Amino acid sequence: QKEVEQNSGPLSVPEGAIASLNCTYSDRGSQSFFWYRQYSGKSPELIMSIYSNGDKEDGRFTAQLNKASQYVSLLIRDSQPSDSATYLCAVNRNYGGSQGNLIFGKGTKLSVKP
Amino acid sequence: KAGVTQTPRYLIKTRGQQVTLSCSPISGHRSVSWYQQTPGQGLQFLFEYFSETQRNKGNFPGRFSGRQFSNSRSEMNVSTLELGDSALYLCASRQGAEQYFGPGTRLTVT
Repeated sequence: QKEVEQNSGPLSVPEGAIASLNCTYSDRGSQSFFWYRQYSGKSPELIMSIYSNGDKEDGRFTAQLNKASQYVSLLIRDSQPSDSATYLCAVNRNYGGSQGNLIFGKGTKLSVKP
Repeated sequence: KAGVTQTPRYLIKTRGQQVTLSCSPISGHRSVSWYQQTPGQGLQFLFEYFSETQRNKGNFPGRFSGRQFSNSRSEMNVSTLELGDSALYLCASRQGAEQYFGPGTRLTVT
């Protein structure tokens, strides 16, 4: 079982729709969860972090965490063509106090059609 | 604040050579992590440095090494390069739990 799993996509949504991206993780000891956006040829950009169960909203983005189900999701409301990118889910297990080791999923490629 | 900087941005080396990549974290950040990104394996953790000490290491051979200086700048070194080392090498600067990536160094091994 992979440590962090994402549907590779591509996920295609029309402009203005809600894009829903999902991620599952295997280690129940995981404590911190992140979503990164990566445009083609660029480095990952942190867009959301979430640490406790429930929802966290930031502008058009909502991250959802369910530790019991080992599930993290990202909702993008009012999707724009500029949101077309690969979205990476990352998990930190904080072993031995080290928070510098992120485990990444392979990413979901999102395409927003005008 | 300036972001994470990495040099060089692009590098072409031949098999058997060694390479050193450099990373300067965001001002005030003391933790630097290195990652390798390839199309097949995705983003994989190499190692983390905090206050000049290696805190954690990923599952990579000993040819991959790093260090951190007193000003928090970090370098990573890959010796005896192999074709499979061709990748985007990313440095991340950490504040709390959040990591911020630099632009990366694209290494091509021929």
